[in-house]
Formats: sequence, structure tokens, C-alpha cells
Amino acid sequence: DIQLTQSPFSVSASVGDRVTITCRASQRIDSYLAWYQQKPGKVPKLLIYAASSLQSGVPSRFSGSGSGTDFTLTISSLQPEDFATYYCQQANSFPYTFGQGTKLEIK
Amino acid sequence: QVQLVQSGAEVKNSGASMRVSCKASGYIFTSYYLHWVRQAPGQGLEWMGIINPSGGSTSYEQKFQGRLTMTRDTSTSTVYMELSSLRSEDTAVYYCARGWRSSSPEYFDYWGQGTLVTISS
Repeated sequence: DIQLTQSPFSVSASVGDRVTITCRASQRIDSYLAWYQQKPGKVPKLLIYAASSLQSGVPSRFSGSGSGTDFTLTISSLQPEDFATYYCQQANSFPYTFGQGTKLEIK
Repeated sequence: QVQLVQSGAEVKNSGASMRVSCKASGYIFTSYYLHWVRQAPGQGLEWMGIINPSGGSTSYEQKFQGRLTMTRDTSTSTVYMELSSLRSEDTAVYYCARGWRSSSPEYFDYWGQGTLVTISS
């Protein structure tokens, strides 16, 4: 199985900050990577697919990059509604797997 | 609009079986894969498996082999997830989620509301 390791486990930031979350795969997955946002008690929301494509309706302050084994999710200017947990997910091969999550908290 | 509506919360005894349903609407049911993902309390997301509603083919995460069965009913646009031999570590919120493009399963664009299943010993 492909393991995904996210870093950091948690991050504290302020409104307006730029934040980057990384996701490393245990083997090459080309660009078969997505990012999801989940708020407490809510359903996960697809933000980025195919490593760098923005899902319809997602604000442009979210961006993704990377291929192979190393990927990043960047939020260019944090807004209050962005404080949540973020997960990466690989879709290169079954079983699909998720990273352990990164909790983004208000400083 | 696309909707995935799941069955309600359940409490099950250890060793029993559970079945959660996911009724799809707002799109062509047989054109999009459906996945099941679970989330234990305070934990991350765990992919369980996938079903192709068109032909009914499935693929399961190895750790659930022998305990997990996914089926579909095309007449009602509903998929079912059945997990047997339940143990306390199966306590979780179970989600169905749609593959993002017709005939492409890779990413999950719509999710059901989640079904909390609690296993009591």
C-alpha cells in the first residue's frame, strides 16, 4: 500500500498568513493526488485534484503543486473559514489512501 | 443537484453485522463509481472500497476482506455497504462518496452526510 505522510501534524497561523502543507508518498504516484478540507462535524470537501487542479467553486487562494512523491497545498492568504483539517489522498492505485491530516488552527 | 443520502445512525453489538445505505440522486447512477470511507472518532479518513454501480464490480481494502460487501440496486439508485463480525474498532462515521468523473473513480467530489455506527461490547 502507498503511505502518505503529511507535515506538519498541526500548524497555528493568523488570518492573512500564507500556509503550506506537504504530503509525501512512499512511492511515485505521478499526479494522482487530491486535497480535502474537513471542518469539525462536517463532510470532507474536495479542494484540489490531480495535484494542482482547483475544484470548481474553491477559492483561488488554494493551490496545489507537485508530482511523483512530493506535493504541497498552499493557502496564499488565510481566511477565518480556512481553519480546518486538511487531508491528502492518493489515487494512483488501490487501495486509495489518505494522509493522517494536518490541523490548521488560529494563532 | 447531486445528492447522496445515507441511512441513519446505528448501534450494534460486537460480533454483529451492519448495513448502511447510500441513495444517489441528481445524476446518472450507473455512470459514476461510489466509494466508502470511514472515520473513527477523532481520527483521520480511511478508504474502505469501491463499487462500480454499472456492473456491480468491487474492490476492497485488504484489511476488510472477508468482512466487507458492497452491493447496488440500480432500480433505486442505492448502494449498500455491509460489514460483518463487528468489533469496537469499527465504531466510526461511514461515508459514501462519488468518484469525480463519469467512469473515473480517482477523487471524491460529492459525499453523503455520514452514518455514525457505534459498536457496543
